[in-house]
Amino acid sequence: NAGVTQTPKFQVLKTGQSMTLQCAQDMNHEYMSWYRQDPGMGLRLIHYSVGAGITDQGEVPNGYNVSRSTTEDFPLRLLSAAPSQTSVYFCASSTLAGGADTQYFGPGTRLTVL
Amino acid sequence: SQELEQSPQSLIVQEGKNLTINCTSSKTLYGLYWYKQKYGEGLIFLMMLQKGGEEKSHEKITAKLDEKKQQSSLHITASQPSHAGIYLCGADIPASGGSNYKLTFGKGTLLTVNP
Repeated sequence: NAGVTQTPKFQVLKTGQSMTLQCAQDMNHEYMSWYRQDPGMGLRLIHYSVGAGITDQGEVPNGYNVSRSTTEDFPLRLLSAAPSQTSVYFCASSTLAGGADTQYFGPGTRLTVL
Repeated sequence: SQELEQSPQSLIVQEGKNLTINCTSSKTLYGLYWYKQKYGEGLIFLMMLQKGGEEKSHEKITAKLDEKKQQSSLHITASQPSHAGIYLCGADIPASGGSNYKLTFGKGTLLTVNP
């Protein structure tokens, strides 16, 4: 198993550009989520999904869209990038809806918005 | 508001010293996780605690969840430079409006171990 994979590893955008951060897992996990990590802020939940076709907002959802058309993939879309979205983004998955199980994390995507 | 409070925010110790990191919640915890992260890298799962009073150890790292399930501590014995990094606690917090849970993290503790 490859576990949780994220692409790209690094990305630089200009303000107003759009892009999609990819996340895929091959463990047949129902639960997937996106976090952003900023200095002094820890990890903050952006969006999560408890299964294909089901998504919900986390703590900081504004400026981000997600969809879950398959169990394996959970892309995160930035429609109009802003400097405030400069961060490191982590995708995670688990077998249950965040409970009583370990979360598997991807290696992260480091995004810079100029 | 921050649902999980970690303390201290940062910690510098001399190699060989013991140290403790705390994670406190105002709500009952249904699952408490400890992770370690090295700068620029992903999170490494350390331990999961579920039952009040539960204690788990892995090499020189011990984590405990108190009886009321509202606080956890991570204790490192005889610290080494390889222990340096950011330690994060995470907990299952009930998501609003439903029976799902969401994993919420503390802000992390930056540990430096000087040789």
